[in-house]
Amino acid sequence: QSALTQPPSASGSPGQSVTISCTGTSSDVGGYNSVSWYQQYPGKAPKLMIYEVTKRPSGVPDRFSGSKSGNTASLTVSGLQADDEADYYCSSHAAGDNWVFGGGTKLTVL
Amino acid sequence: QVQLVQSGAEVKKPGASVKVSCMASGYTFTTYFIHWVRQAPGQGLEWMGIIRPGGGSTRFAQRFQGRVTMTRDTSTTTVSMELSSLRSEDTAVYYCARDNSGWAFDLWGQGTLVTVSS
Repeated sequence: QSALTQPPSASGSPGQSVTISCTGTSSDVGGYNSVSWYQQYPGKAPKLMIYEVTKRPSGVPDRFSGSKSGNTASLTVSGLQADDEADYYCSSHAAGDNWVFGGGTKLTVL
Repeated sequence: QVQLVQSGAEVKKPGASVKVSCMASGYTFTTYFIHWVRQAPGQGLEWMGIIRPGGGSTRFAQRFQGRVTMTRDTSTTTVSMELSSLRSEDTAVYYCARDNSGWAFDLWGQGTLVTVSS
C-alpha cells in the first residue's frame, strides 16, 4: 500500500486561507468516505482535526474544513493563526482493511 | 479521564524484540478498536495494524506481517504490540490510537520511543 501524496510544505499569512491536498487512488481516498486529517506539533502526538472527509470533532475550530473530489482530498485552513503552524497528515481507509497515511505537509504561517 | 497511556522508552539491540503496552481508561475498552502507528525520526506517520479488543482479532500492514504481534488483556484494559527481529530502521516513536468508528484515530497515546542500536 503506497503512501498518499501530500505537498511537503504550504504557507500563508495570518488571516489568509491555505489548502493542503492529499492524493490517493480509487483503492483508498477515492473508494471510501474515510479521509481524516491530523495536526502534529513537534514532539507531540497527532490530533484529529477532520474525519469522514468533512466532519469536525468537538473542539476543533470551524476554520478547519475538509473536502474530496475523486481521488484527492483537501484540508482548508481559513483565517490562519500563528498556532496553526504545524505538520498536517491525511489518512484513509484502504482496500483490504488497511489504513494509509500521507507523507505530511509542514504548514508555515508567515 | 479518557486516555491511552503507553509504556516507557526502550533501547534494543538489532535482532531483539520489543513489546510496547497501551493502557486504556475512561471508556468501554471493548467498544473501540486500537491501531498502532509509528513515526521514525523526522519522518511521517506509518500505520502498522489494528486490534479489536472485543474479540482480539488483528490485521497488520503487509510490511510488518510475520514480525508483529498485537494482543489485548481485557482485565487490565491494555493492548500490546510486539515487534521482533528489530533493525536500525525500526527506531521510531510508536503510538497507539483509538479508532472512533469513523475510520479515524481520535485518541492517541503519548508515544513510546524505541531505539534500535548496537
